[in-house]
Amino acid sequence: EIVLTQSPAIVSLSPGDSATLSCRASQTITSDLAWYQQKPGQAPRLLIYEASNRATGIPARFSGSGSGTDFTLTISSLEPEDFAVYYCQQSSNWPPLLTFGGGTKVEIK
Amino acid sequence: QVQLQESGPGLVKPSETLSLTCNVSGVSISSYYWSWIRQPLGKGLEWIGHIYYSGSTNYNPSLKSRVTISVDTSNNQFSLRLRSVTAADTAIYYCARYRGVLGADYWGQGTLVTVSS
Repeated sequence: EIVLTQSPAIVSLSPGDSATLSCRASQTITSDLAWYQQKPGQAPRLLIYEASNRATGIPARFSGSGSGTDFTLTISSLEPEDFAVYYCQQSSNWPPLLTFGGGTKVEIK
Repeated sequence: QVQLQESGPGLVKPSETLSLTCNVSGVSISSYYWSWIRQPLGKGLEWIGHIYYSGSTNYNPSLKSRVTISVDTSNNQFSLRLRSVTAADTAIYYCARYRGVLGADYWGQGTLVTVSS
């Protein structure tokens, strides 16, 4: 079973700052890695799929990168609405079993 | 537009069966995977399982012995049954459309299920 470890658990930043969120897999995975944003009281929202592709309607300040075991979500200049919890997710090849990371909370400094 | 809506009892007694349905509108359920994901209050996301429109299923190994997901293509909905629940199953339950490498792009709003006598 692949385990996804996200770091840091919490990061305190100011609007306008850049955020770099890490997701590390316990073994090499394909680029089938997604990132989601979740705000309080809301369902998660897909941001990035296949490690680096933005989902429909996602602003360009969100970018994903990485391969193998190390993946990164970067938010280039934090807007007030970006303060939220972010999760990474991967799927094993076959059978397609999903795993989520534990999440990173981006809070206002 | 695509919408998913969970429905079912908000309170289930310990040892009983949790049953939820996800009604899908705006798109046919006859493609992609349809997933159940849960989130204990204040905690992270846990994938429960999903069903392909053809009826094939995959489950989280930690829940597999207690979970059944089924699909009703005629009514464009899919369902979750979780047997022998305990307080640890108290969570917000989400349904979502999962498109493989394209991610889970549509989610329901979530429904809180509390396990308590």
